[in-house]
Amino acid sequence: AQTVTQSQPEMSVQEAETVTLSCTYDTSENNYYLFWYKQPPSRQMILVIRQEAYKQQNATENRFSVNFQKAAKSFSLKISDSQLGDTAMYFCAFHSGYALNFGKGTSLLVTP
Amino acid sequence: NAGVTQTPKFQVLKTGQSMTLQCAQDMNHEYMSWYRQDPGMGLRLIHYSVGAGITDQGEVPNGYNVSRSTTEDFPLRLLSAAPSQTSVYFCASSVLASGGIQETQYFGPGTRLLVL
Repeated sequence: AQTVTQSQPEMSVQEAETVTLSCTYDTSENNYYLFWYKQPPSRQMILVIRQEAYKQQNATENRFSVNFQKAAKSFSLKISDSQLGDTAMYFCAFHSGYALNFGKGTSLLVTP
Repeated sequence: NAGVTQTPKFQVLKTGQSMTLQCAQDMNHEYMSWYRQDPGMGLRLIHYSVGAGITDQGEVPNGYNVSRSTTEDFPLRLLSAAPSQTSVYFCASSVLASGGIQETQYFGPGTRLLVL
């Protein structure tokens, strides 16, 4: 079975600080995509960042970056200069083939 | 483009009633899927489709039926609703890259279903 584990159910960070959310996954596949999705109180699932497993370079999108360690099957999300609007549930997800497997999520609270 | 749309936004059903959750996308995506989200859980795959006329089961398919007669639409049917089906349902779509691997999935806004 392919699984995704997010070991931090809740985290908090002060505005303008940096926070890192952890994610590990288990797969026997060699080619796959990894994602971080954000779910604010509106419940909309919003793509934050995407990483292709065959690319060694870590993906970056503005204040969001990942640390992808393929051998360790680790895919953490770093949020720099945290903003109040970053408050949300964050889900790590991975797929190869036809199923997208989600972790249980990390609830991030950004405080003033 | 409207992206992925879902109707209704919220529905209350009585046990044993049937209903169809609608999902449509205007991005010409081959792949479409249905997930459910329960408290404390991530999203779990119910059914998916890789093209018109082709569907398959995901992790939690029991109690749900799907069909895909067009590229755009992928309805989810509850034949006899049960309280255990109270959940938030998300539809998603994506392009299928070479090798059959999905690219980024785009999600609809969700349907909140309450079964009494």
